Amino acid sequence: GDSVTQMEGPVTLSEEAFLTINCTYTATGYPSLFWYVQYPGEGLQLLLKATKADDKGSNKGFEATYRKETTSFHLEKGSVQVSDSAVYFCALSTNTGGFKTIFGAGTRLFVKA
Amino acid sequence: DADVTQTPRNRITKTGKRIMLECSQTKGHDRMYWYRQDPGLGLRLIYYSFDVKDINKGEISDGYSVSRQAQAKFSLSLESAIPNQTALYFCATSDINSGNTIYFGEGSWLTVV
Repeated sequence: GDSVTQMEGPVTLSEEAFLTINCTYTATGYPSLFWYVQYPGEGLQLLLKATKADDKGSNKGFEATYRKETTSFHLEKGSVQVSDSAVYFCALSTNTGGFKTIFGAGTRLFVKA
Repeated sequence: DADVTQTPRNRITKTGKRIMLECSQTKGHDRMYWYRQDPGLGLRLIYYSFDVKDINKGEISDGYSVSRQAQAKFSLSLESAIPNQTALYFCATSDINSGNTIYFGEGSWLTVV
């Protein structure tokens, strides 16, 4: 079945470091791919998304490119800030066989000043 | 005010008690969801509803029931709470026009003792 696998956390970085959080997926059909972010005490909110192969989603300095050949959607940011400390979830959404969204387990990011 | 509102935000209840979590939304979306979040397991879908007359089980529906009272209201019930239902519960919405993006409430912490 469809699934999302993302790197385990926690990830601890110093401010201004480069961030990569890996995400790979398994899906039939052509899913849309998402990154959601959950700040402490809050619900998840959409960070960025891509709907087809080679699309790049970007927001708040974060980027991710939909790579069909490697079934990946890795999240990157060139220079993290303390305020980026949160849990990041990779997700896929598909209408094949009925609409569904599947989330990865989440990766917690700590950024130190 | 939040677009997706959950009540209560925190609740401690005893084993065997019935508990209801309520959700209302002002986004005008047709689709509503209940998810459960456990550390290291990401989000798991409990139930979803694509309109008022449509209710569907998710991957972990056992021990839960739902009611879609109106387009804007979707409640989750635990008929006889047990300790392993201690978790963070999220209500969420989406719409066919939102590109499969899901919008979450702030979550309801439920502790079953």
